Amino acid sequence: QAVVTQEPSLTVSPGGTVTLTCGSSTGAVTSGHYPYWFQQKPGQAPRTLLYDTSSKHSWTPARFSGSLLGGQAALTLSGAQPEDEADYYCLLSYSGTRVFGGGTKLTVL
Amino acid sequence: QLQLQESGPGLVEPSETLSLTCTVSGGSIGSSNYYWGWSRQPLGKGLEWIGSIYFDGNTRYNPSLRSRVTISIDRPKNQFALKLTSVTAADTAVYYCAKYPHVDSWGQGTLVTVSS
Repeated sequence: QAVVTQEPSLTVSPGGTVTLTCGSSTGAVTSGHYPYWFQQKPGQAPRTLLYDTSSKHSWTPARFSGSLLGGQAALTLSGAQPEDEADYYCLLSYSGTRVFGGGTKLTVL
Repeated sequence: QLQLQESGPGLVEPSETLSLTCTVSGGSIGSSNYYWGWSRQPLGKGLEWIGSIYFDGNTRYNPSLRSRVTISIDRPKNQFALKLTSVTAADTAVYYCAKYPHVDSWGQGTLVTVSS
């Protein structure tokens, strides 16, 4: 089974920009992995921010964007807000089965 | 927007079968536009994808759980279900159901503890 890797933790200053990445043990992440990004705050269910690499839901703040960068999926937060402090998970598809990354704990400080 | 709600026993004994149901409201579970999935999260740890079921009943499972997992769909009740056999303490987690492909709906999650 593939292993999906994320930075365990990152810190961003309020108003700053940070990029979270999502890599695959099988090689480069492509659009065919249909990358998802989820945000989870303590005690809450995950909330989907992005699907299919960069598609947003109606509730996704404009400051979040998705891309493929250097063989990885990437979530960029531009203009971080205190309420963006949370755990972020990516999810990749492998011919119908899916694998979550280990998550990134994002601190806004 | 569709809403999902997990239900089932909060306590399961070791070696027994964990059974959960996800009830879908606000839309039909039989639509070919959607499919349905289960994930779980041990307390304080990351998310683990369990499996998915498509409108035609086809399923995909996490290879590490495949021998113990069954996901089924009950169209008249607008529900889909998860069964996990031979559970151990390692299966203690919050279990979530979700609507795919865009995962625009999650259930609130239900904690299942495996203990005697």
